[in-house]
Amino acid sequence: ETGVTQTPRHLVMGMTNKKSLKCEQHLGHNAMYWYKQSAKKPLELMFVYNFKEQTENNSVPSRFSPECPNSSHLFLHLHTLQPEDSALYLCASSQEGAVEQYFGPGTRLTVT
Amino acid sequence: AQSVTQLGSHVSVSEGALVLLRCNYSSSVPPYLFWYVQYPNQGLQLLLKYTTGATLVKGINGFEAEFKKSETSFHLTKPSAHMSDAAEYFCAVSDAGGSNYKLTFGKGTLLTVNP
Repeated sequence: ETGVTQTPRHLVMGMTNKKSLKCEQHLGHNAMYWYKQSAKKPLELMFVYNFKEQTENNSVPSRFSPECPNSSHLFLHLHTLQPEDSALYLCASSQEGAVEQYFGPGTRLTVT
Repeated sequence: AQSVTQLGSHVSVSEGALVLLRCNYSSSVPPYLFWYVQYPNQGLQLLLKYTTGATLVKGINGFEAEFKKSETSFHLTKPSAHMSDAAEYFCAVSDAGGSNYKLTFGKGTLLTVNP
């Protein structure tokens, strides 16, 4: 695997389910990000992790719970979501001090 | 606070025609600027970036952008459109805070290329 990978690519879940999204970066970076991409809206930064420590939480509801066990892996745990949470969730990574971020292909989430 | 405005949510050009996608930004500090492209069912791919130095920046796939501080613009151009350029394009500005550069994105411009 190369770059940034995300699994699953598609997920349909009910409002009472619990699921997790996984992101893995193979670039040796030390910062990882979760973004939400909704139709007709700009990408929204959700969380930032730097060297496994959360450095940014952009007022995200507690039904989204991130986890970063090491610099290569990032999870987004989901529970009791709402239909408006349906979106494309993108993971990205970057090297400390570098300006560019590298994105994964995203997980298309549908909440029914 | 930083912001990005992309003029035109949808641009349609003929194959071989000039591509011009507009981006204006606001920033309280000297900005770092980016263009990303997103093909259907894929993530974002970096096309080009401006940090410092030369204001005309060349990227992949024949795209280039010019940073104009006086106009607070960073428009993306390509002299001759190809069918494979059909995608959504996002302009972004960075917020150089600490050791991470947080990106603020525009809403995107969908480029359609007609044969």
